[in-house]
Amino acid sequence: EAQVTQNPRYLITVTGKKLTVTCSQNMNHEYMSWYRQDPGLGLRQIYYSMNVEVTDKGDVPEGYKVSRKEKRNFPLILESPSPNQTSLYFCASSRGVYGELFFGEGSRLTVL
Amino acid sequence: RKEVEQDPGPFNVPEGATVAFNCTYSNSASQSFFWYRQDCRKEPKLLMSVYSSGNEDGRFTAQLNRASQYISLLIRDSKLSDSATYLCVVRGIFHGSGNTGKLIFGQGTTLQVKP
Repeated sequence: EAQVTQNPRYLITVTGKKLTVTCSQNMNHEYMSWYRQDPGLGLRQIYYSMNVEVTDKGDVPEGYKVSRKEKRNFPLILESPSPNQTSLYFCASSRGVYGELFFGEGSRLTVL
Repeated sequence: RKEVEQDPGPFNVPEGATVAFNCTYSNSASQSFFWYRQDCRKEPKLLMSVYSSGNEDGRFTAQLNRASQYISLLIRDSKLSDSATYLCVVRGIFHGSGNTGKLIFGQGTTLQVKP
């Protein structure tokens, strides 16, 4: 089954404790992206990747890092989480930048 | 001004009603347009693309008005299962570098269909 898989789905952590949210897709998609969704603000892009070893900032990259060492994986790293990073995070992928975007099920992160 | 604006609603309608959502976008050079559906606490999923000539998929009709820079979604004969948030999505223009073809999401319009 074609899918985008994120882990963990739910996480409560404390300020400053580094964490990684993994994202993996099995569709051989070139394009992958991370979004955060907050009430009243909609989906905002954090980082995106056009292909392996090619990443760039989206609209709200501060406090996040990404890497794309393999085509299927695009982890999101929070080096020192803060409470304002409490949000619902979605990973997405598509075949090329113009393809239909497929989303993972989301990761709900709470930073205390 | 937001790049993509939607009335957040909620729209509360009875089963069988016809409901329409509008969405406006600020960049006249935007290239393509979509409606995504998002169920509560779930991931967004593509509902339909929006073409210049308008397009229909069963009970759903999408239209684009480039002159006025808005797109619309019409749902006929609403079902309980149509209850969701509908996201208007606009693809940015091609710059030749940078975030080519970036998708810009509206904040969504919530529809609640009641028996």
